[in-house]
Amino acid sequence: AIQMTQSPSSLSASVGDRVTITCRASQGIRNDLGWYQQKPGKAPNLLIYASSSLQSGVPSRFSGSGSGTDFTLTISSLQPEDFATYYCLQDYNYPRTFGQGTKVEIK
Amino acid sequence: QVQLQESGPGLVKPSETLSLTCSVSGGSVSSGNYYWSWIRQPPGKGLEWIGYIYDSGSTNYNPSLKSRVTISVHTSKNQFSLKLSSVTAADTAVYYCARESITVAGTVFDYWGQGTLVIVSS
Repeated sequence: AIQMTQSPSSLSASVGDRVTITCRASQGIRNDLGWYQQKPGKAPNLLIYASSSLQSGVPSRFSGSGSGTDFTLTISSLQPEDFATYYCLQDYNYPRTFGQGTKVEIK
Repeated sequence: QVQLQESGPGLVKPSETLSLTCSVSGGSVSSGNYYWSWIRQPPGKGLEWIGYIYDSGSTNYNPSLKSRVTISVHTSKNQFSLKLSSVTAADTAVYYCARESITVAGTVFDYWGQGTLVIVSS
Protein backbone atom coordinates (compact mmCIF):
# COMPACT_ATOMS: atom_id res chain seq x y z
CA ALA A 1 0.00 0.00 0.00
CA ILE A 2 1.12 3.54 -0.73
CA GLN A 3 2.06 5.43 2.41
CA MET A 4 1.03 9.06 2.67
CA THR A 5 3.02 11.21 5.08
CA GLN A 6 1.76 14.64 6.07
CA SER A 7 3.66 17.40 7.78
CA PRO A 8 3.37 18.99 10.16
CA SER A 9 1.09 16.86 12.35
CA SER A 10 -0.23 20.04 13.90
CA LEU A 11 0.28 23.76 13.66
CA SER A 12 -0.86 26.90 15.40
CA ALA A 13 -1.77 29.91 13.33
CA SER A 14 -3.66 33.16 13.54
CA VAL A 15 -6.57 34.41 11.51
CA GLY A 16 -5.20 35.92 8.32
CA ASP A 17 -2.07 33.78 8.25
CA ARG A 18 -0.96 31.86 5.20
CA VAL A 19 -0.82 28.15 6.01
CA THR A 20 0.92 25.39 4.08
CA ILE A 21 0.52 21.65 4.65
CA THR A 22 2.56 19.08 2.78
CA CYS A 23 1.87 15.48 1.86
CA ARG A 24 4.43 13.02 0.53
CA ALA A 25 3.61 9.72 -1.15
CA SER A 26 5.86 6.68 -0.81
CA GLN A 27 5.78 6.28 -4.61
CA GLY A 28 4.72 8.40 -7.55
CA ILE A 29 0.98 8.93 -7.79
CA ARG A 30 0.81 11.37 -10.75
CA ASN A 31 -1.64 14.03 -9.59
CA ASP A 32 -4.09 11.55 -8.05
CA LEU A 33 -4.41 13.31 -4.72
CA GLY A 34 -7.23 14.97 -2.82
CA TRP A 35 -7.45 17.09 0.29
CA TYR A 36 -10.22 16.78 2.86
CA GLN A 37 -11.15 18.97 5.82
CA GLN A 38 -12.64 17.44 8.94
CA LYS A 39 -14.17 19.33 11.83
CA PRO A 40 -14.76 17.69 15.23
CA GLY A 41 -17.67 15.25 15.18
CA LYS A 42 -18.20 15.65 11.44
CA ALA A 43 -17.40 13.66 8.34
CA PRO A 44 -14.53 14.80 6.13
CA ASN A 45 -15.35 17.28 3.40
CA LEU A 46 -13.68 17.37 -0.02
CA LEU A 47 -11.69 20.53 -0.71
CA ILE A 48 -9.31 19.73 -3.57
CA TYR A 49 -9.14 16.90 -6.10
CA ALA A 50 -6.62 15.96 -8.78
CA SER A 51 -3.99 17.78 -6.72
CA SER A 52 -5.08 21.30 -7.68
CA SER A 53 -8.75 21.37 -8.70
CA LEU A 54 -11.04 23.21 -6.32
CA GLN A 55 -14.23 21.38 -5.42
CA SER A 56 -17.40 23.32 -6.19
CA GLY A 57 -18.41 25.56 -3.32
CA VAL A 58 -14.99 25.59 -1.63
CA PRO A 59 -13.55 29.08 -1.00
CA SER A 60 -10.77 30.19 -3.33
CA ARG A 61 -8.39 30.77 -0.42
CA PHE A 62 -7.78 27.00 -0.58
CA SER A 63 -5.37 25.81 -3.24
CA GLY A 64 -3.39 22.69 -3.98
CA SER A 65 -0.31 21.85 -5.97
CA GLY A 66 2.11 19.06 -6.68
CA SER A 67 2.65 15.97 -8.74
CA GLY A 68 4.46 12.68 -8.38
CA THR A 69 5.32 12.31 -4.71
CA ASP A 70 5.13 15.81 -3.20
CA PHE A 71 1.97 17.82 -2.70
CA THR A 72 0.92 20.98 -0.91
CA LEU A 73 -2.31 22.41 0.43
CA THR A 74 -2.26 26.17 0.99
CA ILE A 75 -4.76 28.35 2.78
CA SER A 76 -3.95 31.87 1.66
CA SER A 77 -5.62 33.73 4.54
CA LEU A 78 -6.80 31.58 7.43
CA GLN A 79 -10.36 32.17 8.54
CA PRO A 80 -11.99 31.19 11.85
CA GLU A 81 -13.97 28.41 10.14
CA ASP A 82 -10.76 26.86 8.79
CA PHE A 83 -9.58 25.56 12.14
CA ALA A 84 -9.90 21.82 11.56
CA THR A 85 -7.91 18.73 10.68
CA TYR A 86 -6.81 18.24 7.08
CA TYR A 87 -6.13 14.92 5.37
CA CYS A 88 -4.59 14.06 2.05
CA LEU A 89 -5.83 10.98 0.20
CA GLN A 90 -4.30 9.19 -2.76
CA ASP A 91 -6.67 7.88 -5.42
CA TYR A 92 -3.89 6.43 -7.58
CA ASN A 93 -4.58 2.86 -6.57
CA TYR A 94 -6.19 0.61 -3.97
CA PRO A 95 -6.20 0.39 -1.07
CA ARG A 96 -6.94 4.07 -0.82
CA THR A 97 -4.68 5.58 1.83
CA PHE A 98 -4.90 8.79 3.82
CA GLY A 99 -2.23 10.89 5.41
CA GLN A 100 -2.24 10.90 9.20
CA GLY A 101 -3.78 14.37 9.32
CA THR A 102 -2.70 17.91 10.14
CA LYS A 103 -4.56 19.69 12.91
CA VAL A 104 -4.74 23.45 12.43
CA GLU A 105 -5.26 25.19 15.76
CA ILE A 106 -5.76 28.77 16.83
CA LYS A 107 -2.66 30.57 18.04
CA GLN B 1 -29.03 16.12 -3.00
CA VAL B 2 -27.45 12.78 -2.14
CA GLN B 3 -27.64 11.75 1.50
CA LEU B 4 -26.14 8.74 3.25
CA GLN B 5 -27.09 7.51 6.71
CA GLU B 6 -25.40 4.77 8.71
CA SER B 7 -27.33 2.56 11.12
CA GLY B 8 -26.53 -0.38 13.33
CA PRO B 9 -25.54 -1.41 16.85
CA GLY B 10 -23.26 0.93 18.71
CA LEU B 11 -21.85 -1.82 20.91
CA VAL B 12 -20.45 -5.15 19.75
CA LYS B 13 -18.85 -7.86 21.84
CA PRO B 14 -15.33 -9.07 21.11
CA SER B 15 -15.16 -11.97 18.62
CA GLU B 16 -18.62 -11.15 17.28
CA THR B 17 -19.57 -9.60 13.92
CA LEU B 18 -20.07 -5.88 13.44
CA SER B 19 -22.95 -5.14 11.06
CA LEU B 20 -23.81 -1.72 9.68
CA THR B 21 -26.14 -0.49 6.98
CA CYS B 22 -25.93 2.65 4.88
CA SER B 23 -29.18 4.03 3.51
CA VAL B 24 -28.85 6.18 0.41
CA SER B 25 -31.30 8.84 -0.72
CA GLY B 26 -31.12 11.19 -3.69
CA GLY B 27 -29.15 8.67 -5.73
CA SER B 28 -29.12 5.00 -6.65
CA VAL B 29 -26.71 2.36 -5.41
CA SER B 30 -27.26 0.69 -8.79
CA SER B 31 -25.61 3.56 -10.67
CA GLY B 32 -22.45 2.49 -12.44
CA ASN B 33 -20.40 5.62 -11.81
CA TYR B 34 -19.95 5.25 -8.08
CA TYR B 35 -18.14 3.08 -5.58
CA TRP B 36 -20.19 2.73 -2.40
CA SER B 37 -17.60 2.71 0.32
CA TRP B 38 -16.88 2.25 4.00
CA ILE B 39 -14.21 4.20 5.87
CA ARG B 40 -13.46 4.14 9.58
CA GLN B 41 -11.74 6.36 12.12
CA PRO B 42 -10.64 5.15 15.56
CA PRO B 43 -11.24 7.76 18.27
CA GLY B 44 -8.66 10.53 18.01
CA LYS B 45 -6.92 8.88 15.05
CA GLY B 46 -6.83 9.04 11.26
CA LEU B 47 -8.96 7.61 8.49
CA GLU B 48 -8.77 4.06 7.15
CA TRP B 49 -10.40 2.92 3.92
CA ILE B 50 -12.22 -0.39 4.41
CA GLY B 51 -13.58 -1.18 0.96
CA TYR B 52 -16.30 -0.64 -1.61
CA ILE B 53 -19.00 -2.30 -3.63
CA TYR B 54 -19.61 -1.32 -7.23
CA ASP B 55 -22.06 -2.06 -9.97
CA SER B 56 -24.34 -4.08 -7.72
CA GLY B 57 -21.78 -6.67 -6.83
CA SER B 58 -18.10 -6.09 -7.50
CA THR B 59 -16.12 -5.52 -4.32
CA ASN B 60 -12.65 -4.34 -3.34
CA TYR B 61 -11.36 -4.58 0.21
CA ASN B 62 -8.38 -3.29 2.14
CA PRO B 63 -5.93 -6.20 2.34
CA SER B 64 -5.42 -5.44 6.02
CA LEU B 65 -9.08 -6.32 6.67
CA LYS B 66 -9.95 -8.51 3.69
CA SER B 67 -10.25 -11.78 5.59
CA ARG B 68 -12.89 -10.30 7.90
CA VAL B 69 -14.86 -7.89 5.69
CA THR B 70 -17.94 -8.35 3.57
CA ILE B 71 -19.70 -5.48 1.79
CA SER B 72 -23.01 -6.18 0.11
CA VAL B 73 -25.72 -4.16 -1.60
CA HIS B 74 -29.50 -4.27 -1.33
CA THR B 75 -30.75 -2.52 -4.44
CA SER B 76 -34.46 -2.84 -3.61
CA LYS B 77 -33.88 -0.86 -0.41
CA ASN B 78 -31.19 1.41 -1.92
CA GLN B 79 -28.81 0.36 0.84
CA PHE B 80 -25.42 -1.22 1.20
CA SER B 81 -23.96 -2.89 4.24
CA LEU B 82 -20.75 -3.77 6.04
CA LYS B 83 -19.98 -6.87 8.03
CA LEU B 84 -16.73 -7.16 9.96
CA SER B 85 -16.19 -10.46 11.72
CA SER B 86 -14.13 -11.46 14.76
CA VAL B 87 -13.93 -7.93 16.07
CA THR B 88 -11.52 -6.79 18.78
CA ALA B 89 -11.10 -3.52 20.67
CA ALA B 90 -8.92 -2.32 17.78
CA ASP B 91 -12.06 -2.20 15.63
CA THR B 92 -13.61 0.46 17.86
CA ALA B 93 -14.11 3.43 15.57
CA VAL B 94 -16.48 5.82 13.92
CA TYR B 95 -17.63 4.09 10.75
CA TYR B 96 -18.52 6.22 7.75
CA CYS B 97 -20.25 5.22 4.58
CA ALA B 98 -19.33 7.34 1.60
CA ARG B 99 -19.77 7.64 -2.13
CA GLU B 100 -16.62 7.56 -4.21
CA SER B 101 -17.41 9.18 -7.55
CA ILE B 102 -15.56 8.33 -10.74
CA THR B 103 -14.59 11.50 -12.59
CA VAL B 104 -12.41 12.35 -15.57
CA ALA B 105 -9.80 13.57 -13.06
CA GLY B 106 -9.82 10.47 -10.88
CA THR B 107 -12.14 9.63 -8.02
CA VAL B 108 -13.38 11.64 -5.06
CA PHE B 109 -15.33 10.93 -1.90
CA ASP B 110 -17.99 13.55 -2.48
CA TYR B 111 -20.76 12.43 -0.14
CA TRP B 112 -20.42 10.99 3.34
CA GLY B 113 -22.72 9.80 6.05
CA GLN B 114 -22.51 11.46 9.45
CA GLY B 115 -20.68 8.47 10.88
CA THR B 116 -21.63 6.03 13.60
CA LEU B 117 -19.50 5.09 16.60
CA VAL B 118 -19.11 1.38 17.17
CA ILE B 119 -17.50 0.29 20.42
CA VAL B 120 -16.16 -3.22 20.82
CA SER B 121 -16.45 -4.23 24.44
CA SER B 122 -17.81 -7.02 26.56
